[in-house]
Amino acid sequence: AQKITQTQPGMFVQEKEAVTLDCTYDTSDPSYGLFWYKQPSSGEMIFLIYQGSYDQQNATEGRYSLNFQKARKSANLVISASQLGDSAMYFCAMREETSGSRLTFGEGTQLTVNP
Amino acid sequence: EPEVTQTPSHQVTQMGQEVILRCVPISNHLYFYWYRQILGQKVEFLVSFYNNEISEKSEIFDDQFSVERPDGSNFTLKIRSTKLEDSAMYFCASSETGIFGYTFGSGTRLTVV
Repeated sequence: AQKITQTQPGMFVQEKEAVTLDCTYDTSDPSYGLFWYKQPSSGEMIFLIYQGSYDQQNATEGRYSLNFQKARKSANLVISASQLGDSAMYFCAMREETSGSRLTFGEGTQLTVNP
Repeated sequence: EPEVTQTPSHQVTQMGQEVILRCVPISNHLYFYWYRQILGQKVEFLVSFYNNEISEKSEIFDDQFSVERPDGSNFTLKIRSTKLEDSAMYFCASSETGIFGYTFGSGTRLTVV
């Protein structure tokens, strides 16, 4: 079974609108962390946001927020007020307590922001 | 903001040759990693390194791969005899805690011909 599932290979959004990128995960560990990274066409991996499994509140970082639904095992990324520079590949990743400190990544979602 | 620095950004090598990819992690970080991303695919874990030894490795990280921290700042990945299927983007990452705060470098694009 996939540890991280991103079901949207591609998403389109109009500039200035909000967009939600889906991520579901599979773990039986009580302690884990969830991450979102942005990869523009230049290739680098840029950290966006982190959510710990015991965090009571949803993480937010500027225009990024993480909609964490623990019972559903989902950790969707919400980008508000999309900008043209948000066009990139977005990866969801997880660190499980029993897997040491490695990150396991999903397949990614290619986001295109249209003017 | 502190960065993870990787060199070179691009490397082309002949099949069967040895390559060394170099990384300078963030100075106060203790956990170091190598990941790879084959073109168009997801990022895959290769190896983690802590306290001057490998703490974890994936099934990809076979005897052709090795890592080293030769001094207090550099962290290297060596591929002894490259194959065509080693062509990928290789990312170095570091973390202070090994729990969160993973910072990735900009990657080395390796092309084996």
